[in-house]
Amino acid sequence: QSALTQPPSASGSLGQSVTISCTGTSSDVGAYNYVSWYQQHPGKAPKLMIYEVSNRPSGVPDRFSGSKSGNTASLTVSGLQAEDEADYYCSSFAGSNWVFGGGTKLTV
Amino acid sequence: EVQLVESGGGLVQPGGSLRLSCAASGFTLSRYEMNWVRQAPGKGLEWVSYISETGSGKLYADSVRGRFIISRDNAKNSVYLQMNSLRAEDTAVYYCARDTAATDAFDLWGQGTMVTVSS
Repeated sequence: QSALTQPPSASGSLGQSVTISCTGTSSDVGAYNYVSWYQQHPGKAPKLMIYEVSNRPSGVPDRFSGSKSGNTASLTVSGLQAEDEADYYCSSFAGSNWVFGGGTKLTV
Repeated sequence: EVQLVESGGGLVQPGGSLRLSCAASGFTLSRYEMNWVRQAPGKGLEWVSYISETGSGKLYADSVRGRFIISRDNAKNSVYLQMNSLRAEDTAVYYCARDTAATDAFDLWGQGTMVTVSS
């Protein structure tokens, strides 16, 4: 049950785009299309932003998009806004458990 | 309002026990799988346990298997986490999280309850 690998930090200017990677293995990210992404502001509970690799829940801006290639998933935030500054976590189903990434602090 | 509210956290000595509760409202709990996810201070998220809609299926992270027990009472709209043989490394905010069998994503989270294991 090893954690997925994310860069500890990412940054971008207002209006720019940034992509956060999430690398797993053939037992988790590579095996299932059950990759999800969560946004967490300080002191708050996580919020689902992307599910099943690339689907957005109702209410999540279309500036957020997800993709996957092999064992690596990615979250892209386009048109960065100040409120996008937060921690982002990826997660994948792994057969009999879920694994999370270590988190990426996005600075805008 | 659709929400999850955790309770039961607190300070406990190493080797002690604690029972967390998660109260669901605004939706039909029996239609959803439920999970516990924790976050140690300043650290990332860690999935802890899963329970199926009826309670017949349960899964645990290696780090808690044999010490923690997840359960639910759909009639009381509640999910529970019985934590035994607690260790310092179990110190964390514990979140209750809803997921659907179709997506295996956690689409609703509670505000969390803090568990501190210390002498």
